Amino acid sequence: DQQVKQNSPSLSVQEGRISILNCDYTNSMFDYFLWYKKYPAEGPTFLISISSIKDKNEDGRFTVFLNKSAKHLSLHIVPSQPGDSAVYFCAASAVNAGKSTFGDGTTLTVKP
Amino acid sequence: GAGVSQSPRYKVAKRGQDVALRCDPISGHVSLFWYQQALGQGPEFLTYFQNEAQLDKSGLPSDRFFAERPEGSVSTLKIQRTQQEDSAVYLCASSLGGFDNYGYTFGSGTRLTVV
Repeated sequence: DQQVKQNSPSLSVQEGRISILNCDYTNSMFDYFLWYKKYPAEGPTFLISISSIKDKNEDGRFTVFLNKSAKHLSLHIVPSQPGDSAVYFCAASAVNAGKSTFGDGTTLTVKP
Repeated sequence: GAGVSQSPRYKVAKRGQDVALRCDPISGHVSLFWYQQALGQGPEFLTYFQNEAQLDKSGLPSDRFFAERPEGSVSTLKIQRTQQEDSAVYLCASSLGGFDNYGYTFGSGTRLTVV
């Protein structure tokens, strides 16, 4: 039973437009959520996170939204750039649990 | 070094062979994690150390998998009698504290292929 799901394996957007990546989770114990970005042949790189006490966190072009009642989070990238093309992983943790549970990723392609 | 270093980058093992994968975390990072990533999937948790103490090994798939961090810095993941289903990328990550609000820092991984 997958506790973190990214239902879209891929997403293609035009440069300058908004990219929206979605993630759903099932475990009510999760209270911290993270997004990682991964380029080929590299490890994932931390991008942005959000605590369950918030519903929005912004960092430059990246904004994460959390809807606790729907157990859903999304990552918005505005404006999208070709360098954003990568695999994006959603992850969830229970604070003090140490480990994170990852989704299977969404491959974002930003076309010039 | 500035980042998490893993060696070797690639390993080909014959089925039944034992392998050892090494992770050098960022200096001073207390927590160290091992994840396994199969092709087309997200990383799956294997085990977690805080300093030299292995606090969680619930993700290790079988007793063929063993991890250690004897001095609280470098860690080794050992897989005995490798099987084809062990083929995956093994990722090591470290973080400054027990839980890091800035996420983990991952290494580039070791790609293990069992033939």
